[in-house]
Amino acid sequence: EAGVAQSPRYKIIEKRQSVAFWCNPISGHATLYWYQQILGQGPKLLIQFQNNGVVDDSQLPKDRFSAERLKGVDSTLKIQPAKLEDSAVYLCASSRTGMNEQFFGPGTRLTVL
Amino acid sequence: DAKTTQPTSMDCAEGRAANLPCNHSTISGNEYVYWYRQIHSQGPQYIIHGLKNNETNEMASLIITEDRKSSTLILPHATLRDTAVYYCIVSSYNTDKLIFGTGTRLQVFP
Repeated sequence: EAGVAQSPRYKIIEKRQSVAFWCNPISGHATLYWYQQILGQGPKLLIQFQNNGVVDDSQLPKDRFSAERLKGVDSTLKIQPAKLEDSAVYLCASSRTGMNEQFFGPGTRLTVL
Repeated sequence: DAKTTQPTSMDCAEGRAANLPCNHSTISGNEYVYWYRQIHSQGPQYIIHGLKNNETNEMASLIITEDRKSSTLILPHATLRDTAVYYCIVSSYNTDKLIFGTGTRLQVFP
């Protein structure tokens, strides 16, 4: 089966600019996650969707980050405006409902200058 | 906060077994032990999970102590491609949530 797809793979922007990331999960996976991974740290969950509903967004900085999964399949994560500390790899993962075996995409490496 | 403790780094000779320890002394009765690994510039990859019995699959074996306060991931014949950061995670099976720590950086050398 095809894996989790993410784009772009790399993005460089200046602070205060906007950026959006796209994720296409594995077909049939109802649960979708966005993680932020800062260099040298493990991934940190930003938001979790079950179909097109938000299950957990407690770690999402809502003043600048937003995410949506309108049709319960693809998802976008947006940062507006970006700060220097947002430089990180943004990982998307998906899983079947109730399963902790998550499948991760390759990530998008964001550099904010 | 992660509920596990792992060594920061380990080395292993190619072809030898790599034994990666993990302490999870506060694990609850309904929590599983999961192992993921992350090869450089890739997303994390699921390896194995277990509750209290030892588990084995095509990638690795998981040994959980009887009191469930610690576990060991065993890669029986490490290869250079096993060089990665290995994460030990404790999670309830149906919460769908994984809390990653900083993991163990395993370096396999020729």
